[in-house]
Amino acid sequence: AQSVAQPEDQVNVAEGNPLTVKCTYSVSGNPYLFWYVQYPNRGLQFLLKYITGDNLVKGSYGFEAEFNKSQTSFHLKKPSALVSDSALYFCAVRDRNTGFQKLVFGTGTRLLVSP
Amino acid sequence: EPEVTQTPSHQVTQMGQEVILRCVPISNHLYFYWYRQILGQKVEFLVSFYNNEISEKSEIFDDQFSVERPDGSNFTLKIRSTKLEDSAMYFCASSEGGLAGSNEQFFGPGTRLTVL
Repeated sequence: AQSVAQPEDQVNVAEGNPLTVKCTYSVSGNPYLFWYVQYPNRGLQFLLKYITGDNLVKGSYGFEAEFNKSQTSFHLKKPSALVSDSALYFCAVRDRNTGFQKLVFGTGTRLLVSP
Repeated sequence: EPEVTQTPSHQVTQMGQEVILRCVPISNHLYFYWYRQILGQKVEFLVSFYNNEISEKSEIFDDQFSVERPDGSNFTLKIRSTKLEDSAMYFCASSEGGLAGSNEQFFGPGTRLTVL
């Protein structure tokens, strides 16, 4: 069975500082990995994905994530946080070997960027 | 930029009543999904739909739930007899076809269902 763990309910960072939101996953086969962001009263917006190839993937709004197979992690990073990055972030996984399309989400991490 | 739309944004219903949640996926997408998010909890998969049939469903998606694509644009989720525990935000999503699920899913803004 697939699962995702986001160990931090909340991450606090000052504007201009680097941020990291952690994600680890478990799948029986090889993963497709995704990050989504949710702003208040909005749907989930796609940020980036790892399919294959380079372990460092770049996405929207200056975010990037590093796939680490040995640690089964896919942490989201940004070199310099903005107040407007404050939102709820979800990591999701799909097992590419099952043929199914469903995403399995983590519990989410709230990012608060202070001015 | 094309987007997934959902109506209504908020639905209040009495326990035992039927509700239909509506979605318009992105027009060239082939896969359609429903997810739900109970307040304060994680987003959970309900069902996926491809080529006019259900391709996968979760254990949550029991006989009280059904999905339909009644025309070329709409995708609906019906709950036949709502329960209090069905209160949640329901998200519709769609994705392109292609390589074994590598495509990202695009989510609508959600319908908040409140069952009284």
